[in-house]
Amino acid sequence: DAKTTQPPSMDCAEGRAANLPCNHSTISGNEYVYWYRQIHSQGPQYIIHGLKNNETNEMASLIITEDRKSSTLILPHATLRDTAVYYCIVSLLNTDKLIFGTGTRLQVFP
Amino acid sequence: GAVVSQHPSRVICKSGTSVKIECRSLDFQATTMFWYRQFPKQSLMLMATSNEGSKATYEQGVEKDKFLINHASLTLSTLTVTSAHPEDSSFYICSASKPRGKGNTIYFGEGSWLTVV
Repeated sequence: DAKTTQPPSMDCAEGRAANLPCNHSTISGNEYVYWYRQIHSQGPQYIIHGLKNNETNEMASLIITEDRKSSTLILPHATLRDTAVYYCIVSLLNTDKLIFGTGTRLQVFP
Repeated sequence: GAVVSQHPSRVICKSGTSVKIECRSLDFQATTMFWYRQFPKQSLMLMATSNEGSKATYEQGVEKDKFLINHASLTLSTLTVTSAHPEDSSFYICSASKPRGKGNTIYFGEGSWLTVV
C-alpha cells in the first residue's frame, strides 16, 4: 500500500472551510484514496473515498490532483463536532484492510 | 445507526486472566473482519485479519497465541486476550466491509477499552 503524508495538526475557525491536505506520491493506478476520521475514544468514521475524480457527499468534498499524487479533504463549514483526527489512506478498492498513518489532528475553535 | 458493533465498550480485568471482545456486523454478512489496537495518542495498528470459517491471519509481531481470534459466523468475530498483562491495556477496534454503491465501505466498531490491573 502507498504511504501517505499528512500535517500532524491544523486549526480551523468554526463556520469556515477546513482543507486537509494529503500527499500520496507513490499511489498506484488502481489505488483509491480514503478518508476516515476518529473522534476521541471512538472508532474511525468513514468520510469519503475516490479514485481520480472529485467526489462530494453530505459530509465533505474530496479533491484529487490530476496526477493523483495528492488530495485535499474539504469540510465546507466546520463545526466544533468536527474536531477529530483525520486519516488519509490509499488502498485498493475492496481490499478492506486499511493501514493507518499518523493522521492530522484538526482542532475547530469557536 | 451503528453498522458494526463491539461489546463490551469497556472492560477491566485482573492480570493473568483472559478477556473476550465481540465484534458484530449488524445488518450484513462479513466474511472478513479486522482487528486493530490503538495506544493513547497513537494511530491504529492492524493486528490481524479474521476469516470466517478459517484461521485468522496475524500481522508481523502479533502473537497468535496471545490474541485468539474466532470468526464462527458471518456476523461475529471475537478477540480473546489471553493471560492479560497491564501492557495489553489498550483500545481495541474491529472493522468489517459492507457493499455500498461503488465497491465496499469499511465500517469500524465503537471500540473496546481494555484495562488490565
